[in-house]
Amino acid sequence: EAGVTQSPTHLIKTRGQQATLRCSPISGHTSVYWYQQALGLGLQFLLWYDEGEERNRGNFPPRFSGRQFPNYSSELNVNALELEDSALYLCACQLRGTGTEAFFGQGTRLTVV
Amino acid sequence: GENVEQHPSTLSVQEGDSAVIKCTYSDSASNYFPWYKQELGKRPQLIIDIRSNVGEKKDQRIAVTLNKTAKHFSLHITETQPEDSAVYFCAASRGYSTLTFGKGTMLLVSP
Repeated sequence: EAGVTQSPTHLIKTRGQQATLRCSPISGHTSVYWYQQALGLGLQFLLWYDEGEERNRGNFPPRFSGRQFPNYSSELNVNALELEDSALYLCACQLRGTGTEAFFGQGTRLTVV
Repeated sequence: GENVEQHPSTLSVQEGDSAVIKCTYSDSASNYFPWYKQELGKRPQLIIDIRSNVGEKKDQRIAVTLNKTAKHFSLHITETQPEDSAVYFCAASRGYSTLTFGKGTMLLVSP
């Protein structure tokens, strides 16, 4: 069974540009979470999508947005990049419902210069 | 929403010692409490989880305890080994809701 895949693995952008990160969940896993992991810090919750809808968002500015496609893959968009957006962005997928294991992708390392 | 506090932020032990990491949660309706291990440069992976109808769960050298009254749960690692060195995250969720993580504990096991 294929795991959670994220692309690209690394991304270098200039301040002010836009970044698009992609996540393909495990087949049948409808919930997709996005987390930001800055160096030395924990998993900061960004967005949660399920069944194509945004279910919750964390305490991040509106320039962080995303969507989920009919095949449950997801995209995270970050507009007007700032230097402090440099971090590892992890997506995780989960079977719809409660109390199930979340499987993480390998992450996209975004560097803003 | 749910808030998860995790302590300590770093923990250094000698090989063979036990390690304990503690988390508290704010939402009394939370009913699922997983623990994830993230080795350097790798993705977080589930190592053990517990549900609110159980007070304790063990899997070889690791165990998790849950105190619903105090809204507190802990990870216990016995006979630590160097390969246990990693960042450990606790999390909590209830029903159909966001999986909220603690800020993580860096465990260092010295040979």
